Amino acid sequence: RKEVEQDPGPFNVPEGATVAFNCTYSNSASQSFFWYRQDCRKEPKLLMSVYSSGNEDGRFTAQLNRASQYISLLIRDSKLSDSATYLCVVGSGGSNYKLTFGKGTLLTVNP
Amino acid sequence: GAVVSQHPSWVICKSGTSVKIECRSLDFQATTMFWYRQFPKQSLMLMATSNEGSKATYEQGVEKDKFLINHASLTLSTLTVTSAHPEDSSFYICSARDSLSDTQYFGPGTRLTVL
Repeated sequence: RKEVEQDPGPFNVPEGATVAFNCTYSNSASQSFFWYRQDCRKEPKLLMSVYSSGNEDGRFTAQLNRASQYISLLIRDSKLSDSATYLCVVGSGGSNYKLTFGKGTLLTVNP
Repeated sequence: GAVVSQHPSWVICKSGTSVKIECRSLDFQATTMFWYRQFPKQSLMLMATSNEGSKATYEQGVEKDKFLINHASLTLSTLTVTSAHPEDSSFYICSARDSLSDTQYFGPGTRLTVL
């Protein structure tokens, strides 16, 4: 089983649509969770951290379920500029902390 | 926000040559830096963790003699791909961990093409 597994995608949606990304992780000792976005041929950029209580940042809502080791990202009212690859990222390791990346899900928002 | 730079941003070299990539944290000190590699349509794969003043920790399957890492100061880590071959062609990305905020910031990446 992969350490971090995401929807394979790609997703093609019209502007204004709501999009949901799903992710599962295998290491139950993981301690931090993130969603990054990566544009074509660019480095990943942090979109938001994910907390157990769930958190929202404008049109973006992230949820974490530690019991089922599941992370989600919801984008409401999608914009053309949301087109990118969304990466589910899990941090673990304590003193040897490292990030493990999912393969990413490509989103294309169409006019 | 914090900035991490990488140099060069792209490089093309002949098979058998060595290539050095620099990663700098520009406005914070980073005791730990990370080197990743990303092949097309694949996820970022951690190659090694670079600790200032000590030896790097390599992930399983990454040859330490081929990918030399030096982290001589709190703001600079270098990755040298020795005797590069076409299969080493990839997007190499570093990240630096801000010791104060415990946040990781990514460099813009270096695209290596080995002919």
